[in-house]
Parts: sequence; structure tokens; C-alpha cells
Amino acid sequence: AQSVTQLGSHVSVSEGALVLLRCNYSSSVPPYLFWYVQYPNQGLQLLLKYTSAATLVKGINGFEAEFKKSETSFHLTKPSAHMSDAAEYFCAVSRGFQKLVFGTGTRLLVSP
Amino acid sequence: SQTIHQWPATLVQPVGSPLSLECTVEGTSNPNLYWYRQAAGRGLQLLFYSVGIGQISSEVPQNLSASRPQDRQFILSSKKLLLSDSGFYLCAWSARTGDGYTFGSGTRLTVV
Repeated sequence: AQSVTQLGSHVSVSEGALVLLRCNYSSSVPPYLFWYVQYPNQGLQLLLKYTSAATLVKGINGFEAEFKKSETSFHLTKPSAHMSDAAEYFCAVSRGFQKLVFGTGTRLLVSP
Repeated sequence: SQTIHQWPATLVQPVGSPLSLECTVEGTSNPNLYWYRQAAGRGLQLLFYSVGIGQISSEVPQNLSASRPQDRQFILSSKKLLLSDSGFYLCAWSARTGDGYTFGSGTRLTVV
């Protein structure tokens, strides 16, 4: 069975600071990994995905994530936070035809 | 391009009343379709998924049901709503390759 663990239900950063949202996965086969963002009362939007190509994945809005097999991690980063980045972020894992399994989410708070 | 439509955006229903939420996908054929629920302060719970017309798999036993009368139409229903059915309902689709889901904009259901 596959699963993801997101460390920290809330992360607070100042505008301009580094954003680091942590995700660790568990999978018995090489996984597909995803990060989604959700703004209040909206659906989820795909930020980026890893599907066994390059281990460093660049996404929208300046976010990127690095797949580290040795650490079973897929942390999401952004060099400089913007107020508009405040939202909830979900890490997810799947493999091929298997269903997407989501983490419990991390709410990012950005202060001026 | 593919689009997903979900309606209504918000719904307030009394306990014991029926429910019907509809989701349609355009611009693709044979999509996998999913219904998720997001309760306040919680992650995403997969309720139902479908890999074809009339094929429904239930993830969580409850008083909700789903149907797929057409290839790109997915309906979530209930005969009698409970207070615990309140939440944010999200429809999603994926291609057979399973390399990511696209979500609808969601329905905020409040059962009173």
C-alpha cells in the first residue's frame, strides 16, 4: 500500500523567505508523486508531478520539488514566499492505474 | 483542451432530504472519475471512483452512492442526508495513465 506523510499541519513564513513543505512517501514500487495547492473554497490545482523522469521537478508559481529515493522524500520548496502563496498544499502518491492517495495537507501562512 | 464542470457550487439542504451532485468532463474519452470529500480541517477522503460506464467502486461505506450513466458524467447521490454529510465535495478525472488528477471547483454542502 502506498501512503504519504506531510510533516506539519501549519507552516508560517515571512514574505520573501524560503518555503519548505515536507512530504515523505511509502511505496513498494517506484511511485508517481504530486503536489497540489488549494485556495479557500476552490478545487485542487496541480503544482508539479514526478513520474520517474528528472528527479528535480519544476512546477508553476516558482515551486519545485526533488525526488530523493534514499530519503523517500518529495519536499516542496520555493526560494522566496509571496503573499499569494498562502494556501493549503497536498502531497499525493500513486502508481500507474492505482488511485491517488493524499496526505493530510499543510497550510502555508505568509506574513508581511 | 479538457475541462471539468461541477455543480452546484454551494448547497444547503435539510437533514433527510435527497442529494444529487453532478460532474461532467469535456475534451477526453474514457476518463477515470472520482468523488472526494473534504471535511472541515481534514484531508481528502476518496468516496467513489469509476473506470467506465456503470462501473462504480466504493471506498467508504455510507449513505452516499454514485452513478456513471454516460462516459463523461459522474453523479453523487443520497436518498436521505445526514448532518455528517456536510463538507466540500470534489470531483476529479484522470487519464488511464494515472499521471495526475484534474479537479473540479467543488461543491460546498451544508446539511442543516
